[in-house]
Amino acid sequence: KQEVTQIPAALSVPEGENLVLNCSFTDSAIYNLQWFRQDPGKGLTSLLLIQSSQREQTSGRLNASLDKSSGRSTLYIAASQPGDSATYLCAVRQAITQGGSEKLVFGKGTKLTVNP
Amino acid sequence: EPEVTQTPSHQVTQMGQEVILRCVPISNHLYFYWYRQILGQKVEFLVSFYNNEISEKSEIFDDQFSVERPDGSNFTLKIRSTKLEDSAMYFCASSGELYNEQFFGPGTRLTVL
Repeated sequence: KQEVTQIPAALSVPEGENLVLNCSFTDSAIYNLQWFRQDPGKGLTSLLLIQSSQREQTSGRLNASLDKSSGRSTLYIAASQPGDSATYLCAVRQAITQGGSEKLVFGKGTKLTVNP
Repeated sequence: EPEVTQTPSHQVTQMGQEVILRCVPISNHLYFYWYRQILGQKVEFLVSFYNNEISEKSEIFDDQFSVERPDGSNFTLKIRSTKLEDSAMYFCASSGELYNEQFFGPGTRLTVL
């Protein structure tokens, strides 16, 4: 059974700092991995989708990397801003014989606070 | 920018009552999902739906739950007889292609008393 872990559970940094959020998964047979942000009491905003065949995916100040064989992904945020404060969730889609499972398996998230 | 919408934003109900949570997926999307998040816990998959059929469901999605696409725009989750442990945030999501990026709605907070 796939388990997704995100460490640390919470992170507080000063504005302007570059930071890395970690995600690990127990079963390396994934189809793709998606990073989300969740603001308090709100829905999930998709940030990046990275396919199992990719090593990296970039969007603006965000860069996601994937090392499938070691069961790890990182989300790098450059030049952090107070508006980046949110919980960041990692979710994996399992690979199955016919392609991918339709469900996403989520980690519990890392709560990021960027202090002005 | 197109987005998934959900109504109501908050629903309070008595244990044993039926509730229907509503979602309007992104208009050209074909794949629809329900997830839930109990307070302080992980987001959990409930069900996926395509071509008017359930394509995958979790063990949480028992006979108390059902989904429907009653018309060309709405997608609903019905809980027949709510329990206290059904209290959670329920998220609807949609995707334009199989195995592609899923876009989530803002959620419906369900409180069962």
